[in-house]
Amino acid sequence: DIQMTQSPSSLSASVGDRVTITCRASQGISNSLAWYQQKPGKAPKLLLYAASRLESGVPSRFSGSGSGTDYTLTISSLQPEDFATYYCQQYYSTPPWTFGQGTKVEIK
Amino acid sequence: QVQLVESGGGVVQPGGSLRLSCAASGFTFSSYGMHWVRQAPGKGLEWVAFIRYDGSNKYYADSVKGRFTISRDNSKNTLYLQMNSLRAEDTAVYYCAKDCVPIVAMYYFDYWGQGTLVTVSS
Repeated sequence: DIQMTQSPSSLSASVGDRVTITCRASQGISNSLAWYQQKPGKAPKLLLYAASRLESGVPSRFSGSGSGTDYTLTISSLQPEDFATYYCQQYYSTPPWTFGQGTKVEIK
Repeated sequence: QVQLVESGGGVVQPGGSLRLSCAASGFTFSSYGMHWVRQAPGKGLEWVAFIRYDGSNKYYADSVKGRFTISRDNSKNTLYLQMNSLRAEDTAVYYCAKDCVPIVAMYYFDYWGQGTLVTVSS
């Protein structure tokens, strides 16, 4: 199984900050990576897929990059509605589909 | 618009059984693979099970293999998860999720239901 490791586990940031979250796979996943946002008490929401493709309706301040085993999610200018937990997920080698442990973005 | 509505959660004793349902609308249900994903209280996301669009293949996480069964009724646009021999560690919110591409895909999940809480406790 492919293990996904996110860092950091949590971070504090202010509105307007640039935020970067990293996701590392235990083996190469050829950009078969999705990012989800989850707010408390809500279902996860798809943000990006294929590592860098923005899902329809997602603000352009979200972007993704990476290759091989290392990927990043960047929020260019953090907005109040972006405070949430973010998960990466690989779909290169399934089953199983595996998620990172999550990164909680909190208000500084 | 796509809607996924889970039901069937509740409190059950260890060793008991429960069947979850996920009613789908707003897309051609019979063309898409479907997943169950769970989230224990305060924890991250864990994929549980997948069923192909036509029910021909099913896959399970090792943690539930032999105890849980995923199924679907395409005539009713409904996904199911039969959970037997439940354990305390199965306590979680259970989400159904839709695969992103029809027929052959086993990729990422583009829509999720709101979840249903299963609590296993004596």
